[in-house]
Amino acid sequence: GQNIDQPTEMTATEGAIVQINCTYQTSGFNGLFWYQQHAGEAPTFLSYNVLDGLEEKGRFSSFLSRSKGYSYLLLKELQMKDSASYLCAVRDSNYQLIWGAGTKLIIKP
Amino acid sequence: ETGVTQTPRHLVMGMTNKKSLKCEQHLGHNAMYWYKQSAKKPLELMFVYSLEERVENNSVPSRFSPECPNSSHLFLHLHTLQPEDSALYLCASSQEPSGGAGELFFGEGSRLTVL
Repeated sequence: GQNIDQPTEMTATEGAIVQINCTYQTSGFNGLFWYQQHAGEAPTFLSYNVLDGLEEKGRFSSFLSRSKGYSYLLLKELQMKDSASYLCAVRDSNYQLIWGAGTKLIIKP
Repeated sequence: ETGVTQTPRHLVMGMTNKKSLKCEQHLGHNAMYWYKQSAKKPLELMFVYSLEERVENNSVPSRFSPECPNSSHLFLHLHTLQPEDSALYLCASSQEPSGGAGELFFGEGSRLTVL
């Protein structure tokens, strides 16, 4: 079966750095997505990786290793507003999105 | 105005009621989706419409009935629901084929409680 694994919950301190990991086993691979979802709000697109390596976008970076079935989202200079759930999703060979259950990130002052 | 708008935001219904969820996208996209989001579970794809044709129906119970009258509007008709259907129902849109990421744009969801 197809599966995405990510930690259920993480806690970090304002101003620090946090890395949220995502591992996947899917039928084929056509890209990996990260979305951010604040409580009671819509998920919003953060990043897309289709080739191995690091994609940087401001305070957020996303890394992909296709051979290891692994990605991480790196958040730097954490702010209180970064408290949210972070969803990892992989597009498989049929172009279907397979979703993880999300990682709830709690930022403490 | 947000790109994808869902109404109502909250809905409480009994098991014998009939109600509908509405979604409207203002992004000019040609694909629309219904997802179910339950606590601590992955998003579950329910229905996909591409160019107003239904292309996906992931074994969803018949008590959920989608309707896509045009590329901007999507409905989810609900009848004789069960308490386990209580969840957040998310609508999303995208442009297919994208030539790029083809990311989804989500609405804020309709929180459904079935009593």
